[in-house]
Amino acid sequence: DADVTQTPRNRITKTGKRIMLECSQTKGHDRMYWYRQDPGLGLRLIYYSFDVKDINKGEISDGYSVSRQAQAKFSLSLESAIPNQTALYFCATSGGGGPQETQYFGPGTRLLVL
Amino acid sequence: AQKITQTQPGMFVQEKEAVTLDCTYDTSDPSYGLFWYKQPSSGEMIFLIYQGSYDQQNATEGRYSLNFQKARKSANLVISASQLGDSAMYFCAMRVLGFGNEKLTFGTGTRLTIIP
Repeated sequence: DADVTQTPRNRITKTGKRIMLECSQTKGHDRMYWYRQDPGLGLRLIYYSFDVKDINKGEISDGYSVSRQAQAKFSLSLESAIPNQTALYFCATSGGGGPQETQYFGPGTRLLVL
Repeated sequence: AQKITQTQPGMFVQEKEAVTLDCTYDTSDPSYGLFWYKQPSSGEMIFLIYQGSYDQQNATEGRYSLNFQKARKSANLVISASQLGDSAMYFCAMRVLGFGNEKLTFGTGTRLTIIP
């Protein structure tokens, strides 16, 4: 089983709809992240969380909100989706175990906002 | 602020040849880490290799090695004996080290295609 799972894997929604993307991890990591990937722009950080009580904005948090329901769960919400939020969304985790500690990514969620 | 530049949008390489993917970075912090990720067509991000700014030797992981030239601020990924399965997008990323510095800054990626 995958260590980091994301649901749904694909989603089509309409402008103005509320949508939630969910992320679960079995790695036991405290730190979780949400990124979006757009063609030609690489990945950009939306929000990150060091633990259940700690939520931090990334570089592109406008239009998004997050909830850390438990150590293993971190969800991303689009309160009122707009077409330019069409992107590939990744959840990631890390253990904070040192400088070489990488982030482990989920499989991604492809979101299309019509 | 940190910045990663990958100047090769796409590359075509013959199978079994070595390939170098370029990455330059910009930061004023002395302590940082550099990462390379592979993204196959299926979409997932796969960690390949890490280089710390204070590491004396270039990192190696199997067929992957990192040509780290600190003075030039470059961290090029070298893939030896390329295989068809190496066809993918490759991203260079950087993180300034220290508590609270969690942000990975990514480059725009290089699409590598291995030709049989």
